Amino acid sequence: SQTIHQWPATLVQPVGSPLSLECTVEGTSNPNLYWYRQAAGRGLQLLFYSVGIGQISSEVPQNLSASRPQDRQFILSSKKLLLSDSGFYLCAWSPGNTGGGNTIYFGEGSWLTVV
Amino acid sequence: RKEVEQDPGPFNVPEGATVAFNCTYSNSASQSFFWYRQDCRKEPKLLMSVYSSGNEDGRFTAQLNRASQYISLLIRDSKLSDSATYLCVVNSNSGYALNFGKGTSLLVTP
Repeated sequence: SQTIHQWPATLVQPVGSPLSLECTVEGTSNPNLYWYRQAAGRGLQLLFYSVGIGQISSEVPQNLSASRPQDRQFILSSKKLLLSDSGFYLCAWSPGNTGGGNTIYFGEGSWLTVV
Repeated sequence: RKEVEQDPGPFNVPEGATVAFNCTYSNSASQSFFWYRQDCRKEPKLLMSVYSSGNEDGRFTAQLNRASQYISLLIRDSKLSDSATYLCVVNSNSGYALNFGKGTSLLVTP
């Protein structure tokens, strides 16, 4: 069966510090990968998605970036965090090579507090 | 207009009650529809897909009205464990990702 792991689960970072969140998927090949953010009192916002290694699509302009160095690895980064970057970050995957629109499955999420 | 809109609630209902949530979406070309459930401080999890003909899974019934761009979720015989936020989900313009509504909060009380 497929599993998704995301870490760290919780982190507190000062403004201006860098960020790296990592996610890996097991039990499937060539998945579509996603990073979502859920800010307090707000809905899930799609940040990035990837349909293959090195292929990243950004949905919103921001000081975050994403990379997919391996088929089942997805990384979310920032060089300098802002207070507004605080939130619940969720990595997710869906089956690839199927044209999209499929169910997506989330990791357990990372709680980021920027202070 | 937001892509997916839901009544935020909260809906407070007694155990055993029937409750219905509604959702509207803006993209008439959308093809995939889902309801997800999110518990407090947890990741969203798939509750059920929504099919054109409507579908049922135990106490849960989902319906889709393409003409009105409207999705509904009906929960019968509510349980305390149904307390959660219910997210209406529609595939995005890109086709790959999903757009989530802000969710409707349900609290089932004894």
